Order: sequence, then structure tokens, then C-alpha cells
Amino acid sequence: QKEVEQDPGPLSVPEGAIVSLNCTYSNSAFQYFMWYRQYSRKGPELLMYTYSSGNKEDGRFTAQVDKSSKYISLFIRDSQPSDSATYLCAMSVPGGSNYKLTFGKGTLLTVNP
Amino acid sequence: EAQVTQNPRYLITVTGKKLTVTCSQNMNHEYMSWYRQDPGLGLRQIYYSMNVEVTDKGDVPEGYKVSRKEKRNFPLILESPSPNQTSLYFCASSLSTDTQYFGPGTRLTVL
Repeated sequence: QKEVEQDPGPLSVPEGAIVSLNCTYSNSAFQYFMWYRQYSRKGPELLMYTYSSGNKEDGRFTAQVDKSSKYISLFIRDSQPSDSATYLCAMSVPGGSNYKLTFGKGTLLTVNP
Repeated sequence: EAQVTQNPRYLITVTGKKLTVTCSQNMNHEYMSWYRQDPGLGLRQIYYSMNVEVTDKGDVPEGYKVSRKEKRNFPLILESPSPNQTSLYFCASSLSTDTQYFGPGTRLTVL
């Protein structure tokens, strides 16, 4: 079983739709959870970061973590064509000497005008 | 502007010809790391560095070397590149686990 599983999509939605992106993980040592957005030919860019179960909201984006189920989600409200990108979930274990991120494979999202 | 820069952005080379991909950050971060991104495999860590002169292997270090002589620079060295090292490479830097800044990527093709 892979440490982090993410449906690669692709996912295509109309403008204004609510988008739900999800990852599951198997390593209970993961305590920090992140969502990165990666535009074509660019490096990943941090969107959301959380370390506790529950919801965290930032504008149109909501990150949700359920540690008991080992499941995280990213919701995008009122999606825009500019949200078209690959979304990567990432996780890490606190402490230690390596801030390594373990990534999902990414979900390609297209928002159609 | 806070940023991580990589050079070159694109490189086509031949098997066995040594190459170096440079990475530089202007945020005074102690932690730097290299990842490679491959279709179907996602991003995987190659090497990381917690500070000057402190480096260690990540998940896929074979065929790569790194050095950290200055805080701002963390070059990735391929002494004898092979076709299976054809990939998209990203450098990242961070103050801690939560916020890592990624460079724009270097697309490497080894023929």
C-alpha cells in the first residue's frame, strides 16, 4: 500500500462548480498536511497547510483533515478557470532532521468557462 | 522578492556527460531539498540538507550527489547521467516543515 493515494483524475468541471479533491494515507505518523497547486511548467506552490483534524478555510479554499480515517480533502468553491492546475496533497512527519514531504501523485483539474 | 531559482531550466545531454543543476534561495533558509517528478510516480525526494556542510540521502539518491558549501546554494550533481535520470527536477527550501518554497523546475533529458 502506498503511503499517500490520490486520484489522478483528470477532473473537468464548469466554472462556478464546487470541486472536491481527496487523498488517503496509511502512515499514522503524518501530522502535517498540505495542499500544493502546480501550474503547467511551474513549481508547486503552497495553497493550504494544517496540522489538526477539522476544517481550515482560506477564501474559496477549505482544507479538511480526518486523522481517524486518514483522509484529507480540499474544497474549492466558485471554481474559476484560473484554478485549472494540478493539485498535490503532501504530508510530513513532525520533528526529525528531514522536512521531507511525501506527495500524492496529483489531480489534474480543468475548470471550463 | 523571496524566491528559489534553478539553472538551467531545460537541459538535453548525453549519457555519461557530467552535469550540475544549480539551486539558489534568497530567504536565508537552513533547509534545502531536491525532488524529482515523474509521471505516475509523483514527487520523490533525492537529497536534503539541514544546513551548511550537512547533507543526507532522501528516497532516491542513487546516481546523484549534492554539496552545501554556502547557505543559499544547493547544487545537484549528476556525475554520469543515464537515461533513467530523465525527469523534472525541483529544488525547495524551508525554515520548517510547514512551508516549503519550490523553484521553477529543471527539465532534464538524457539521451
